[in-house]
Amino acid sequence: DVKVTQSSRYLVKRTGEKVFLECVQDMDHENMFWYRQDPGLGLRLIYFSYDVKMKEKGDIPEGYSVSREKKERFSLILESASTNQTSMYLCASRRLNQPQHFGDGTRLSIL
Amino acid sequence: TQLLEQSPQFLSIQEGENLTVYCNSSSVFSSLQWYRQEPGEGPVLLVTVVTGGEVKKLKRLTFQFGDARKDSSLHITAAQPGDTGLYLCAGAVYKLSFGAGTTVTVRA
Repeated sequence: DVKVTQSSRYLVKRTGEKVFLECVQDMDHENMFWYRQDPGLGLRLIYFSYDVKMKEKGDIPEGYSVSREKKERFSLILESASTNQTSMYLCASRRLNQPQHFGDGTRLSIL
Repeated sequence: TQLLEQSPQFLSIQEGENLTVYCNSSSVFSSLQWYRQEPGEGPVLLVTVVTGGEVKKLKRLTFQFGDARKDSSLHITAAQPGDTGLYLCAGAVYKLSFGAGTTVTVRA
């Protein structure tokens, strides 16, 4: 079974902090994704990565950056957290042209 | 605006009843996926449909892809409390776009 592991299930941070969300997959997948999920809006793509050191902006990249130094790890960075970034964050990975596998999510609260 | 519109947004039914969830778009998709998400977990893939008019069955769940590959439906027969969850459709063009989801509650 594919395992996508997000480092924290719940996280509480303060406005202005730099926040790191980590995601690790164990199936040597090329592609990795970061989404945020908000009620009534579904999943919105923040950033994705086709391969190591490669990244592409998704639909809502503002206020976020990513890092993919190793194939199995994809990190999402909130440069200066704001309250409107309170959300559920989901990481996913997939082999090329195959369905995505999701982690269990990180519920992030910015106070 | 959502590329994919799901309806209804919420659905609450009694155990044993049938239900249908719809996923509509004005865009043509190369494939469409359905996921179910339970509270505190990530979405889990149920099915991928690829061919226009395709029907796939997964036990009591029936998935249909529209002939024009712009819409899809999910039908659950004799729903059970274990079917409770958020059902998401996602359409693939060059990337995957998700609908807002339908929250299904099946009461025992």
